[in-house]
Amino acid sequence: DIQMTQSPSSVSASVGDKVTITCRASQGINRWLAWYQQKPGKVPNLLIYGTSNLQSGVPSRFSASGFGTDFTLTISSLQPEDFATYFCQQADSFPWTFGQGTKVEIK
Amino acid sequence: EVYLVESGGGLVQPGGSLRLSCAASGFTFSDFSMNWVRQVPGKGLEWISYIISTANAKYYADSVKGRFTISRDNAKNSVYLQMNSLRAEDTAVYYCARDSRYSFDFWGLGTLVTVSS
Repeated sequence: DIQMTQSPSSVSASVGDKVTITCRASQGINRWLAWYQQKPGKVPNLLIYGTSNLQSGVPSRFSASGFGTDFTLTISSLQPEDFATYFCQQADSFPWTFGQGTKVEIK
Repeated sequence: EVYLVESGGGLVQPGGSLRLSCAASGFTFSDFSMNWVRQVPGKGLEWISYIISTANAKYYADSVKGRFTISRDNAKNSVYLQMNSLRAEDTAVYYCARDSRYSFDFWGLGTLVTVSS
């Protein structure tokens, strides 16, 4: 199984900051890497699919990239509504797996 | 608008069974693969099963393989998860999620399954 490891597990940041979250796969994966945002008590929301494609309706301050085993999600200028937990997910091979999550907290 | 509505969760004793249902609307259900994902409250996400649009292919997480069975009825716009031999560690909120480009673009609100004596 492909293990997905996110770092950091949590990050404290201020509104306007640039935040980068990393997701590392235990083996090389193709482009089927997605990112989700989840707020407390809410359902996960798809942000990015296919490594770098912005889901419809997602603000352009979110971007993502990566190749092989290393992938990143970047929030260019953190907004109050972005404080949440973020998960990566690989769909390169079954069983599909998620990272453990990165909580973005208010500094 | 896309809607996914799960039902069938509840309290069950260890070793028991439950059948979850997910009713879909707002899109052509038979065109999409579907998934079940679960989450222990306050914890991370765990993908547990996938079924292709035609139901010809199904996949499972190792943690549920041999105990859970995914199925679908395209005439009823529904996907199901039959859960047998339930364990305490299966306690979680279970979400159905639509597959789009190998990601989950729409989710239901989830149904809580509690396995406890």
